[in-house]
Amino acid sequence: EDQVTQSPEALRLQEGESSSLNCSYTVSGLRGLFWYRQDPGKGPEFLFTLYSAGEEKEKERLKATLTKKESFLHITAPKPEDSATYLCAVQGSGNTGKLIFGQGTTLQVKP
Amino acid sequence: EAQVTQNPRYLITVTGKKLTVTCSQNMNHEYMSWYRQDPGLGLRQIYYSMNVEVTDKGDVPEGYKVSRKEKRNFPLILESPSPNQTSLYFCASSLGGRAGNTIYFGEGSWLTVV
Repeated sequence: EDQVTQSPEALRLQEGESSSLNCSYTVSGLRGLFWYRQDPGKGPEFLFTLYSAGEEKEKERLKATLTKKESFLHITAPKPEDSATYLCAVQGSGNTGKLIFGQGTTLQVKP
Repeated sequence: EAQVTQNPRYLITVTGKKLTVTCSQNMNHEYMSWYRQDPGLGLRQIYYSMNVEVTDKGDVPEGYKVSRKEKRNFPLILESPSPNQTSLYFCASSLGGRAGNTIYFGEGSWLTVV
């Protein structure tokens, strides 16, 4: 069964304190691993798609990496505006286009 | 601006009163789907559509219906809402459903059934 587990559930950082969020997954035939940011009361906002182990993508203070079993979202020198819930999702080889989501990591960055 | 638009954003209704949540995308996407988000359960797919007139069940389809008569629209229909359908609903779309294409989400519709 396809499954995604994110850790930690919640993370509190001081502004400028770098850290990483973990996404462990099991999926039949990975088509893509997605990272989204979700602000309270809003829809998930697309950040990255990773397709194969070893791939890395960056956007501003965020960097996503992928191995065969997990993905990391590294946050370098975070700012208070990076506070949000970060969702990881995988898309498997089934022909439904379905995303299997993790529970998310809620990040709070204090000034 | 590329977007997925849902309406209404907020709705309180009573058990058994039929309602429709509309979804429209302006990106000419073939693939559209509906998710619900619940505390502790995360986002789960309700229904999806690969193209016009092609729809299928996701993981939690009970109590819902959909239709896809036009490419841009994918309404979610609750024929007889019940309190366990109180949730936050998201419509999503992508270029296609099979190749790891980016999936874009709407802003969400908060539904409360009393």
